[in-house]
Amino acid sequence: AQKVTQAQTEISVVEKEDVTLDCVYETRDTTYYLFWYKQPPSGELVFLIRRNSFDEQNEISGRYSWNFQKSTSSFNFTITASQVVDSAVYFCALSGVTGANSKLTFGKGITLSVRP
Amino acid sequence: DGGITQSPKYLFRKEGQNVTLSCEQNLNHDAMYWYRQDPGQGLRLIYYSQIVNDFQKGDIAEGYSVSREKKESFPLTVTSAQKNPTAFYLCASRRRDLGGYTFGSGTRLTVV
Repeated sequence: AQKVTQAQTEISVVEKEDVTLDCVYETRDTTYYLFWYKQPPSGELVFLIRRNSFDEQNEISGRYSWNFQKSTSSFNFTITASQVVDSAVYFCALSGVTGANSKLTFGKGITLSVRP
Repeated sequence: DGGITQSPKYLFRKEGQNVTLSCEQNLNHDAMYWYRQDPGQGLRLIYYSQIVNDFQKGDIAEGYSVSREKKESFPLTVTSAQKNPTAFYLCASRRRDLGGYTFGSGTRLTVV
């Protein structure tokens, strides 16, 4: 069975602070995909990144960066110089490739509040 | 522009009534999914369909039913057997070549 754990439930920071959102996953598949989504108060899920299991290269996109480490089954997300607009719920998710594992399994989400 | 349309955005239901949530996509995606979101619970899979005329139960299928008669459409019926139907429901689709998922904007169902 696939599982995603986001141990942090709520994080509050002051604007311009850096913040890291943790994600640990479990799967028996050798090929899988990891995702991060942002959910603002409107409720829509905003796609942030997809990473496949064979690509451990870290990625940076503007103020966002992701650290994928297969050795620790982690896929952490860092926001540098946070802004008020970053306030949202962030979900880490995992999907396999075939059959029932092709579904997307989500963590419970982390509520990030960025104060001015 | 291609995408997923969920309707209605807000839905109110009386206890004991069935209600159907609509999900339509024009992305030519093969797989479609229904998720339920409760506060602090993340998103949990209700049903999914990988091809037309076929669907499988997810983790919390009890009290729900679906159909997949057309590739573009995957309606979800919340039946009176669902004891706690008040929640936010999200529909998603995905290409056969395992591209990214596309999500609809959701339907917020409230039982009154």
